[in-house]
Amino acid sequence: DQQVKQNSPSLSVQEGRISILNCDYTNSMFDYFLWYKKYPAEGPTFLISISSIKDKNEDGRFTVFLNKSAKHLSLHIVPSQPGDSAVYFCAALSGGYNKLIFGAGTRLAVHP
Amino acid sequence: EAQVTQNPRYLITVTGKKLTVTCSQNMNHEYMSWYRQDPGLGLRQIYYSMNVEVTDKGDVPEGYKVSRKEKRNFPLILESPSPNQTSLYFCASRGGAAGELFFGEGSRLTVL
Repeated sequence: DQQVKQNSPSLSVQEGRISILNCDYTNSMFDYFLWYKKYPAEGPTFLISISSIKDKNEDGRFTVFLNKSAKHLSLHIVPSQPGDSAVYFCAALSGGYNKLIFGAGTRLAVHP
Repeated sequence: EAQVTQNPRYLITVTGKKLTVTCSQNMNHEYMSWYRQDPGLGLRQIYYSMNVEVTDKGDVPEGYKVSRKEKRNFPLILESPSPNQTSLYFCASRGGAAGELFFGEGSRLTVL
């Protein structure tokens, strides 16, 4: 049973518009959430994180929102650029920070 | 340059032939971990290590072994590989302000 779910395998967005990537989780004990970006033939790279005591964290064009009551988080990219085209993984920390549990990923394609 | 280095990057082998995937990090991180990435399943943790001589199972440890004799190295050992271990493998170490993972570039393993 997947504890972290990304229900959209893919997303296509026009350059300059907003990209919204969604993630749901089942375990209310998760206390930290992270987003990673992955290009082909490369390892995932850290993008942005949020603590469970916050509901928003912003870093440049990237903003992560956390809705604990709905067990839902989202990553907003504004404005989207072609270089943002990649697979995005949502992840949650558990087990005393020993385990990082990943979702299946969403492939974002930003087209001109 | 801070990095996690895995070798080999690509490997085709046959069932039952022991192999080792090496992982080395130059960031003096205590925590290291191995993940496998499979379509539709995201990244799943195989083993992790909190420090030298301290290792523990992740979510999918069956068929794998690890060792942590030195802080910088965390090899993944497949004693008797089987076709269901065909996957993309990532090594990671943990550091950074958010405790985020730094990943290697990945090792694509095919077991025939």
